[in-house]
Amino acid sequence: AQSVTQLGSHVSVSEGALVLLRCNYSSSVPPYLFWYVQYPNQGLQLLLKYTSAATLVKGINGFEAEFKKSETSFHLTKPSAHMSDAAEYFCAVSGSGYNKLIFGAGTRLAVHP
Amino acid sequence: DAGVIQSPRHEVTEMGQEVTLRCKPISGHDYLFWYRQTMMRGLELLIYFNNNVPIDDSGMPEDRFSAKMPNASFSTLKIQPSEPRDSAVYFCASTRPGEAEAFFGQGTRLTVV
Repeated sequence: AQSVTQLGSHVSVSEGALVLLRCNYSSSVPPYLFWYVQYPNQGLQLLLKYTSAATLVKGINGFEAEFKKSETSFHLTKPSAHMSDAAEYFCAVSGSGYNKLIFGAGTRLAVHP
Repeated sequence: DAGVIQSPRHEVTEMGQEVTLRCKPISGHDYLFWYRQTMMRGLELLIYFNNNVPIDDSGMPEDRFSAKMPNASFSTLKIQPSEPRDSAVYFCASTRPGEAEAFFGQGTRLTVV
């Protein structure tokens, strides 16, 4: 079975500060891992994905995530937050058939001036 | 490609009425997923199809919910009769063959009064 835990339902940072959103996963098979972003009143958009290649994955809008098997983590980071990064972020792991995504509860990121 | 298309974007209906949500997946995608998003429960997978065949409907909350996929380019999610607790945003998503990256529609915001 697969599951995802996102630590912190709300994260608030200052503009220009480091963004760190935490995700830990559980998987009985080698996982595929994803980060999605959801802006208000919109669907989910893929930020980045890990599919067993390089452990440091770069995504859109300056975000990146590192797969750490020993820690079962896939934390999302961005060196410098921008006001436009304010959104909800979801971590997801693929299911046993590598087609069903299991989502975490989401982390709402607020960026203040 | 236009992406995953859902209709309507917003639906307001009275308790007891039948509601039908529609989804057109991306052409060539062979998996289709229906998710429900609420503040209390986050993103829940309701049902998914592979090549138009329902694979897992264990997430469907009650018999009032049903889903069909009569062909590769169309799916419906029906609620009959609707109840206020069904109020949520319903998302449809699709994936390419052999891949877990899901492409989401804009969602349908359902309000049952």
